[in-house]
Amino acid sequence: RKEVEQDPGPFNVPEGATVAFNCTYSNSASQSFFWYRQDCRKEPKLLMSVYSSGNEDGRFTAQLNRASQYISLLIRDSKLSDSATYLCVVVSGGYNKLIFGAGTRLAVHP
Amino acid sequence: GAGVSQSPSNKVTEKGKDVELRCDPISGHTALYWYRQRLGQGLEFLIYFQGNSAPDKSGLPSDRFSAERTGESVSTLTIQRTQQEDSAVYLCASSPGTGVAFFGQGTRLTVV
Repeated sequence: RKEVEQDPGPFNVPEGATVAFNCTYSNSASQSFFWYRQDCRKEPKLLMSVYSSGNEDGRFTAQLNRASQYISLLIRDSKLSDSATYLCVVVSGGYNKLIFGAGTRLAVHP
Repeated sequence: GAGVSQSPSNKVTEKGKDVELRCDPISGHTALYWYRQRLGQGLEFLIYFQGNSAPDKSGLPSDRFSAERTGESVSTLTIQRTQQEDSAVYLCASSPGTGVAFFGQGTRLTVV
């Protein structure tokens, strides 16, 4: 079983739609959680951190469920510019090793 | 510089040659990671540095791969006797230790 698992997609949605991605992780001792975004042929960039209490940044909401060991990302009012691959990242181990999921591809169309 | 810098940005090499990839992390970042990303695939962890030591090198695919870091700064990833399956983008990331990582733009390696 992979340490971090994501649905690869692609998710094809129209502009204005709401879309949600989930990510599951296997190590219950994982300490920190993030969502990164990777545009085609570019490097990954931090999108937002994920907390148990949930956090919101504009149209983006991230949530952590420790009991079920999953992380979610909700995007409201999708824009064409949201088209990218979204990577779930879990930090585990005594030395903060970043473990990336394989990513979920989102394509927003007019 | 302000961000993570990797060089070269592109490298084409003949099968069997050795290559050296360089990463200049953000100044003061103690943690440094190397990842590999094949076309259309996810990030594959290679090695992690904390300072100049590598507590986790479990992702290095074979003994042809090695990496070092000096002065808690620059890191080099060396691939000996390159094979065609080594063709990929090699990404370096640095972190202040919080778990948040900043990536360089990567080195695109093509083995012909």
